[in-house]
Amino acid sequence: NAGVTQTPKFQVLKTGQSMTLQCAQDMNHEYMSWYRQDPGMGLRLIHYSVGAGITDQGEVPNGYNVSRSTTEDFPLRLLSAAPSQTSVYFCASSRPRAPLHFGNGTRLTVT
Amino acid sequence: KQEVTQIPAALSVPEGENLVLNCSFTDSAIYNLQWFRQDPGKGLTSLLLIQSSQREQTSGRLNASLDKSSGRSTLYIAASQPGDSATYLCAVKESGANSKLTFGKGITLSVRP
Repeated sequence: NAGVTQTPKFQVLKTGQSMTLQCAQDMNHEYMSWYRQDPGMGLRLIHYSVGAGITDQGEVPNGYNVSRSTTEDFPLRLLSAAPSQTSVYFCASSRPRAPLHFGNGTRLTVT
Repeated sequence: KQEVTQIPAALSVPEGENLVLNCSFTDSAIYNLQWFRQDPGKGLTSLLLIQSSQREQTSGRLNASLDKSSGRSTLYIAASQPGDSATYLCAVKESGANSKLTFGKGITLSVRP
């Protein structure tokens, strides 16, 4: 049982490049979400989804896109990377009323 | 807007001590509250989840309580061990099964041998 799998673990981008952070879960969870974690700022919600085909914005959505074509996958796309997007990104999933399961994170550096 | 506060930001205790970590939130209309543990360079691991209708949950040496009316939760760790050293975060879910979580910034605990 893999749980929530995030790839890659580390990534370095140049300003203006685009990339996709992958997230997959094998627990048949309806709810999936993306957070970024920055020193002194805590965890902030970027986007979330309550099921396939349904996505919504969180607290800090600008510069990021998501889609949810299947229950298992919830990729996060950076459209044009900026140094302010240097952060650790976490994907999480859950069933309603159940604990949130986190992946191990992607550490992104934008130079 | 829901705000979650965890004070102090860091705590150092000797091994064997019983300790309490505090979490406060501004809007009492919550669906549930979760406590997480985060080890350096890792993701978050859920420790305890308390539904809004519950007062406490227990798992091993951990006990979490919830007082919605006062906007407070505590995580009690009995007989602390060096392996308990980590950052502990609380998060509240707004009303609704699929609503978002708001996280506190965490308390970094160091248990000295």
